[in-house]
Amino acid sequence: GAVVSQHPSWVICKSGTSVKIECRSLDFQATTMFWYRQFPKQSLMLMATSNEGSKATYEQGVEKDKFLINHASLTLSTLTVTSAHPEDSSFYICSAPRPGGYGYTFGSGTRLTVV
Amino acid sequence: QQQVKQSPQSLIVQKGGISIINCAYENTAFDYFPWYQQFPGKGPALLIAIRPDVSEKKEGRFTISFNKSAKQFSLHIMDSQPGDSATYFCAASISGYALNFGKGTSLLVTP
Repeated sequence: GAVVSQHPSWVICKSGTSVKIECRSLDFQATTMFWYRQFPKQSLMLMATSNEGSKATYEQGVEKDKFLINHASLTLSTLTVTSAHPEDSSFYICSAPRPGGYGYTFGSGTRLTVV
Repeated sequence: QQQVKQSPQSLIVQKGGISIINCAYENTAFDYFPWYQQFPGKGPALLIAIRPDVSEKKEGRFTISFNKSAKQFSLHIMDSQPGDSATYFCAASISGYALNFGKGTSLLVTP
């Protein structure tokens, strides 16, 4: 139980275009979704926290106008990378607290390559 | 500021040996301490997790040791196998809030 489905698994886009990543909670209601970014050979770094029906909270140094997060329903949170540039190429992963308050479930990640 | 400090950065162990990875934290409000295993190109997979009211937890070949007074916890992999070669991350959180990850340990188990 507590499955988060993340799509797409990988995407290649041209510099200047926008890319949307979706995370859906399949069998539970995710009121909170965490978005992480992982550069090669580095750790997962929290980008932002989204809560259903309210504005996302961004970590220091993350451009909120560039990384648009929408959490309009209890089962869907999206991250849109706007005007993507090669330096945005990374592995993006969403995660939600498991129902019951113990542990977290992760999406399978999205490998973004901007060319 | 790194809230969870992990060491070593890399580790080479012979097959059948014990792999030990250590983590330290500062925030005494943390109440969830998991270890994740990650293979290249994949997302992190939960290995084992512990609460601060328990000093040790074992699942198969994986054991977490937790020292609340020292604010440290460690992962022990017994009888390490080449298939265990991966990157391991410790993390800590206050339940319901975002996980704080260590920088990771690249483990190589040689045949």
